This record gives sequence, C-alpha cells and structure tokens, in this order.
Amino acid sequence: DVKVTQSSRYLVKRTGEKVFLECVQDMDHENMFWYRQDPGLGLRLIYFSYDVKMKEKGDIPEGYSVSREKKERFSLILESASTNQTSMYLCAASPLAGGGETQYFGPGTRLLVL
Amino acid sequence: ELKVEQNPLFLSMQEGKNYTIYCNYSTTSDRLYWYRQDPGKSLESLFVLLSNGAVKQEGRLMASLDTKARLSTLHITAAVHDLSATYFCAVDIKLDSNYQLIWGAGTKLIIKP
Repeated sequence: DVKVTQSSRYLVKRTGEKVFLECVQDMDHENMFWYRQDPGLGLRLIYFSYDVKMKEKGDIPEGYSVSREKKERFSLILESASTNQTSMYLCAASPLAGGGETQYFGPGTRLLVL
Repeated sequence: ELKVEQNPLFLSMQEGKNYTIYCNYSTTSDRLYWYRQDPGKSLESLFVLLSNGAVKQEGRLMASLDTKARLSTLHITAAVHDLSATYFCAVDIKLDSNYQLIWGAGTKLIIKP
C-alpha cells in the first residue's frame, strides 16, 4: 500500500506568516500533487510535480509555491499566509505512467489562518 | 471550460433503498475515478473506470462509465449506514503533456438507520 503522510493534521497561523506543509510518500511514485478542499468546491489543484525539481502550476497557484528536492518529499509553501487560505490541504501521489493511475492521498492538513 | 458536475450534491436516504449518483463531464476523457471521503478523513479510491462501457462493482456500490454521453454513475444498492460519506468523481484530462484530474464538487450521502 502506498503511504502518504503529511507533517501536521491541524495548523493555526497568523496572517503574514510563512507556512510550510510537508508531504512524504514511501512508494517511489513520480507524481505528487497538492490540492485544497473547500466545502462545495471539491478539490482544486494548486501545484503538481512529475519529477524531482520539476513543478507545474495547477488551477489555483496564486499565493503558493512548492519545492521537490527529493522524490519522496513535496512541500507546499504559503509565502505570506492570508485568511482566504484557510482550508483543508491534501497531498497525493501516483505513478508516472500516462495517466489512468490512481492518486493516493495523505490524511490532510487543516489550516486556519487568523 | 473543463467542468465535472455531480448530481445530487446532497442526499439523505433510508437504509435498504437504492439510489444513483451522477457525474457529468464536459470534455473528452476515457478515464474516470470515484473516491470516498469520510468526515475528517482523507480520500480513498473506490473505482477506476478506464474505457467506455466499463462497469465495476464492490459490495453495494457499482460504478459505470459512458464516454459517449460523458456520464458516469455510482449506484448504491440496499444502502447501509456505513456507506454514509462524501463521494467524489474525477476525470483524467490531458493538458499539454501532463494528465490532470478535474474533480466534481462531491455528493454528501447520509444514510439513516
């Protein structure tokens, strides 16, 4: 079973703080993803990465950056947190292939920005 | 515009009843996924449908895909309380050289004992 772990289940930060969300997967999968989930909006893709040091913007990258220095680790960075970034953040991993591969999700980090 | 629409968004039903959740999508795709999410938990993969006419069943859940109609259904047979969760569908779309999942908003299902 693929295991995807996220560094925190709950985080409370203040407006303007720099926030790091860490995600680690243990199955050597090439693809990793960061989503945010808000009620009634489903999952929205922030960034994804298909290889070390490679990243692609998703649907809502504004206000976020990412880092993938090692294959197993994908970090999401909020450079200056704002209240509208209060959300549930989900990390996922999948094999590269050509699509058609299931994404495996971490437990999520619920972030509250005050 | 790439859109994945689920219907209904909220469903409350009695145990023992049957019901169907619909997932419509706006662009060509041959791959569709169904996920389940329990409150406060992450998403768990239920089904991957990889071709037109694909049908998969697991227990009381059955998913099907009609790529011509751009429609997938998730059918619940004789619902039990344990199936209460939010169900998401997602469609695999090729954008440039990468695949990306486009997600529906989710269907919150409450099954009353």
